[in-house]
Amino acid sequence: DTEVTQTPKHLVMGMTNKKSLKCEQHMGHRAMYWYKQKAKKPPELMFVYSYEKLSINESVPSRFSPECPNSSLLNLHLHALQPEDSALYLCASSQEGGGNTIYFGEGSWLTVV
Amino acid sequence: QQQVKQSPQSLIVQKGGISIINCAYENTAFDYFPWYQQFPGKGPALLIAIRPDVSEKKEGRFTISFNKSAKQFSLHIMDSQPGDSATYFCAASKWNQGGKLIFGQGTELSVKP
Repeated sequence: DTEVTQTPKHLVMGMTNKKSLKCEQHMGHRAMYWYKQKAKKPPELMFVYSYEKLSINESVPSRFSPECPNSSLLNLHLHALQPEDSALYLCASSQEGGGNTIYFGEGSWLTVV
Repeated sequence: QQQVKQSPQSLIVQKGGISIINCAYENTAFDYFPWYQQFPGKGPALLIAIRPDVSEKKEGRFTISFNKSAKQFSLHIMDSQPGDSATYFCAASKWNQGGKLIFGQGTELSVKP
């Protein structure tokens, strides 16, 4: 079983709603990630946090707002999303630095109606 | 230069056969090459990974072959089983990119009993 836990597993939200996705890891990893995956496509990197600071933002629209409250938690705040934002949102973590195994969670399935 | 090209897109193999998935990259700065296995409705899970200082790595029925001069690497699944039916993604990253993975497009493997 993955040691990266994501909640909720499924989320349906309207375009005017505000919701959040949550992620937790207890492996002592200092790098945490948000990826987005559309059906039959590879995961695409959205954000990277390193030591609780945002280190990479892959030009993600501002309607997605990440937050890293502490080294074990990662949130993704969602506001005014579009139907095309419907996807599987994957949280991941790793030891700091490149070349380290990245562990993915099960993902949160988001549907925007 | 950031792309990783993966083939084939889909693969059907008989039980007990060998499954082979190939990937090619352009950026010689990549120094970490993992393979991920993803079952429907689940997050990707690391299967096996290799660094460019070795030409082959084997873990159980799974082998990565790496050809640095050709900038290619491949996954071989020996004695393929129906339980191996999943989507496989190759990926690449650079040590100084904070764990950013560049994924191939994925291969949907079906192992027939």
